[in-house]
Amino acid sequence: DAGVIQSPRHEVTEMGQEVTLRCKPISGHNSLFWYRQTMMRGLELLIYFNNNVPIDDSGMPEDRFSAKMPNASFSTLKIQPSEPRDSAVYFCASSLPVGLENTEAFFGQGTRLTVV
Amino acid sequence: GNSVTQMEGPVTLSEEAFLTINCTYTATGYPSLFWYVQYPGEGLQLLLKATKADDKGSNKGFEATYRKETTSFHLEKGSVQVSDSAVYFCALDTGRRALTFGSGTRLQVQP
Repeated sequence: DAGVIQSPRHEVTEMGQEVTLRCKPISGHNSLFWYRQTMMRGLELLIYFNNNVPIDDSGMPEDRFSAKMPNASFSTLKIQPSEPRDSAVYFCASSLPVGLENTEAFFGQGTRLTVV
Repeated sequence: GNSVTQMEGPVTLSEEAFLTINCTYTATGYPSLFWYVQYPGEGLQLLLKATKADDKGSNKGFEATYRKETTSFHLEKGSVQVSDSAVYFCALDTGRRALTFGSGTRLQVQP
């Protein structure tokens, strides 16, 4: 398996523009997570899905952020409009269903977002 | 709520030195505990884990023991290499699969 695939790897955009980050989880994994990493706040959970349904979005900073998972093999994180303080590395991760062994999360390589 | 506290870095060691990175946690229930490693420019990789008290996770010479009485999961390695230079994250999961991470500890190993 190719692992969790994120795109793009790097994104530079101007303030006010819409940004869409994409994630393809590992096949067979039914949990998907979006994390944000910054120097100031470390790794923060933004939202996670089980079976394509959002379970906990309490980490989403504000209404400018939205996430979708239209099917088991694809998720997006959208920021509209983007602001310089959104600059960070965004990670997607996936894991097997609750109750199974080997339940660790597998991370993608991240998308480095810079908003200028 | 859940939280993880790690020792601040950077930790700078010479090759073949002994490594300890401290991690303590606060959680409801009985969490699983993890150490993840992040090499420059890459995502996080699972290094080791322990799912219940007194379990010892180990991988690539690294070890950590789940200590419920002290709510700790300290990472150790007997002899570090330059290739171990990375950022190490302690994390916990209370069963919902969403991880709570510590702030990370940067390890620099010098030849």
